[in-house]
Amino acid sequence: AQKITQTQPGMFVQEKEAVTLDCTYDTSDPSYGLFWYKQPSSGEMIFLIYQGSYDQQNATEGRYSLNFQKARKSANLVISASQLGDSAMYFCAMREGYGQNFVFGPGTRLSVLP
Amino acid sequence: SAVISQKPSRDICQRGTSLTIQCQVDSQVTMMFWYRQQPGQSLTLIATANQGSEATYESGFVIDKFPISRPNLTFSTLTVSNMSPEDSSIYLCSAEGNTGELFFGEGSRLTVL
Repeated sequence: AQKITQTQPGMFVQEKEAVTLDCTYDTSDPSYGLFWYKQPSSGEMIFLIYQGSYDQQNATEGRYSLNFQKARKSANLVISASQLGDSAMYFCAMREGYGQNFVFGPGTRLSVLP
Repeated sequence: SAVISQKPSRDICQRGTSLTIQCQVDSQVTMMFWYRQQPGQSLTLIATANQGSEATYESGFVIDKFPISRPNLTFSTLTVSNMSPEDSSIYLCSAEGNTGELFFGEGSRLTVL
């Protein structure tokens, strides 16, 4: 079974608008971390934001925020005020417990339109 | 956050040859990780490299095909041996940051003809 699901293979958003990228996860471990990464066409993986399973508040990092709904096992990434440079692949990832390997979702390709 | 330098950034290789990818971290890290990203796909962990011990390989990856070295706490290499076109991928080196996130190198984009 897939541990990380990203149901949107591709998304379009108008420049300056907000966009939500979906991520749902599957784990029975009470301790886990959720991560979002951006991969531009150059291929590098850029860490964006982290949410711990015990965190009471949703994580925010500049224009990025994570809509964490623990009961629904979802960790959607919200990008506010989209910029052309936000066009990239976005990967949701999870790490269960401590010292366990990361599991990456299939990714969502975001295209920001001028 | 750690800065990870990887080289080569890209290469075009002939079938049957081998290529070694180098990964340098600007600080000492306990574990380094090697990932493969096939075209249009997500990341798949190849192996975890610990200094002073053999790498731990994930299911589907073997040491003969992907030998890894980890001579010290800041450096690792991954060799892709006896390459075939199916090995055309981006290979990414990573290390764990202070708060548990993974930091990645720029990636090595290999094309095998």
